[in-house]
Amino acid sequence: QVQLVQSESEVKKPGSSVKVSCKASGGGTFTHYVFTWLRQAPGQGLEWLGGIIPIFETSDYSQKFQGRITITADESTTTAYMELSSLKFDDTAIYYCARARSGTTVVGGLDFWGQGTLVTVSS
Amino acid sequence: IQMTQSPSSVSASVGDRVTISCRASQGLDGSLAWYQQKPGQAPRLLIYHVSTLQSGVPSRFSGAGSGTDFTLTISGVQPEDCAIYYCQQANSFLALSFGGGTKVDLK
Repeated sequence: QVQLVQSESEVKKPGSSVKVSCKASGGGTFTHYVFTWLRQAPGQGLEWLGGIIPIFETSDYSQKFQGRITITADESTTTAYMELSSLKFDDTAIYYCARARSGTTVVGGLDFWGQGTLVTVSS
Repeated sequence: IQMTQSPSSVSASVGDRVTISCRASQGLDGSLAWYQQKPGQAPRLLIYHVSTLQSGVPSRFSGAGSGTDFTLTISGVQPEDCAIYYCQQANSFLALSFGGGTKVDLK
């Protein structure tokens, strides 16, 4: 069974950076799947941050976060990472990683999700 | 592409039929999915490609639509269906966006 296990909660100061990890295990070849990052602010809906397809070494980011987000993937450890810099108070949210059901495209939905990582930005 | 869901919340009795709408700001090519999220949990994929039920999802859930207008229907709401439901579109192999969510609860 596929599992995505994310890193623990973080508390960060405004202006700093956070790096969240997402370790994949179970079915499928790691590099052949899109890994997507999303977030959910308290009491709010889901927001797409960006995604990566390791086999093509290609990533794409929401325009809203361009310039301060980097998504990477390490094939040797089957782990995807999301780093967000210049943190602001309203970056406080639960950050999720999720895997594309169809492999190399998110058309077809996201069928496996991490448990979520709470990032709190506080002075 | 902007996704607009309606209503934002709905109250139903057990056994009722509930329909949630999702409208896209431009036509989609069938890349529409629905998710269920319960408090404290990650979202769960219910339906993809507009109307295909994900494995393990009860058959009382169904999806329909085309172009810019899509629906999720729960035929015979059960207590365990109390959750927030999101539609999601994919406009490239990597990029996607979600509707604002619809909360379903019981009367």
